[in-house]
Amino acid sequence: EVKLQQSGDELVRPGASVKMSCKASGYTFTDYAMHWVKQSPGQGLEWIGTIIPLIDTTSYNQKFKGKATLTADKSSNTAYMELSRLTSEDSAVYYCARAPYSADYFDYWGQGVMVTVSS
Amino acid sequence: DVVLTQTPSILSATIGQSVSISCRSSQSLLDSDGNTYLYWFLQRPGQSPQRLIYLVSNLGSGVPNRFSGSGSGTDFTLKISGVEAEDLGVYYCMQATHAPWTFGGGTKLELK
Repeated sequence: EVKLQQSGDELVRPGASVKMSCKASGYTFTDYAMHWVKQSPGQGLEWIGTIIPLIDTTSYNQKFKGKATLTADKSSNTAYMELSRLTSEDSAVYYCARAPYSADYFDYWGQGVMVTVSS
Repeated sequence: DVVLTQTPSILSATIGQSVSISCRSSQSLLDSDGNTYLYWFLQRPGQSPQRLIYLVSNLGSGVPNRFSGSGSGTDFTLKISGVEAEDLGVYYCMQATHAPWTFGGGTKLELK
């Protein structure tokens, strides 16, 4: 069974950073890219970027360059996203979703991590 | 960035009714490789999005065949032939032809 298990919800101070994880199971981790998507409270969806774990290549939405950093650990089948210099605008739910190298994108999603930025 | 405009923003339906959602793109989504990277998702309350359709009209694994997608270029449609209670939630289209990938604003399907 394919599963993307994300880490727990976070409460963080303004100006701090947060790093969340997305542990993949049930498939070959390096056969798929991992994408990250932001959903602000009561809002729609924004694509943040993607990492190809096989070759450690990343691609970012220009809007999130300097804000998000994507990494992956092939030994533990885990993708990570770090968000830096947090502000209230970063309070949102963040999802990971896998995408094969074919066009069958986003067939599985993680359960989401709610990040709340508050002093 | 490519803007995807979904209409309507709210859709009220009765169980068994057939409904359609439109997704219009600010640019053609036909890629140079011949594919059109247009997807449809359903997000039920309190859940992660679930993919329904990929490449305009391909039904995802395990997705009921009452869902169908159509369209080309800049105009796309998701149709539900006979709404069921489990179909309620917010529907999103997404394009992956042009970077950055973008989502439509969503269509909320509710019971009339």
